[in-house]
Amino acid sequence: GAVVSQHPSRVICKSGTSVKIECRSLDFQATTMFWYRQFPKKSLMLMATSNEGSKATYEQGVEKDKFLINHASLTLSTLTVTSAHPEDSSFYICSASNQAKNIQYFGAGTRLSVL
Amino acid sequence: QQQVKQSPQSLIVQKGGISIINCAYENTAFDYFPWYQQFPGKGPALLIAIRPDVSEKKEGRFTISFNKSAKQFSLHIMDSQPGDSATYFCAANGSSNTGKLIFGQGTTLQVKP
Repeated sequence: GAVVSQHPSRVICKSGTSVKIECRSLDFQATTMFWYRQFPKKSLMLMATSNEGSKATYEQGVEKDKFLINHASLTLSTLTVTSAHPEDSSFYICSASNQAKNIQYFGAGTRLSVL
Repeated sequence: QQQVKQSPQSLIVQKGGISIINCAYENTAFDYFPWYQQFPGKGPALLIAIRPDVSEKKEGRFTISFNKSAKQFSLHIMDSQPGDSATYFCAANGSSNTGKLIFGQGTTLQVKP
């Protein structure tokens, strides 16, 4: 399957700071990337859909000013958690979709812990 | 109409047994049904997928059975192994334009040696 690289795998930060998570598709051009949040023992919750060169589409209830998404190229999307608070602590996962658009390949996830 | 309902929530199977996980959907516009396997602390990995024009797809020990009229599909893991212990998610393609997937609630599978 296709390779999607997500970095960092784990980050610990202080409350009030911002954290950037990168998602790269290594062997195909991803016109669309998705960002998910996953709570322990729960399913994946879609946060936003990121299309290259355009603004991200956020799901209902997700603060776009809190979770900044940039998809500057066909191989890179970033999620920035701004002014992080302990309640933002979670497992964040990105996925990249190839031209077929309905085959998603996932990154390994980022465990964010906000102290 | 956008939901995908998955059951059971957890499953314990003896080594060598068959693991069966079921999913049901409501939206007849769904046209792609993947299954993902997720190990703790890792991202989901695509396991196998099916489209509604076939009733069954097999890849190694993994088989998807698809019942279009009942709007149900299931994952069968034959000869289950302890290494199969993971969380499994079914999903459905919610929109062919955006590629968004609707995920089931997940099934935690434990295969006992």
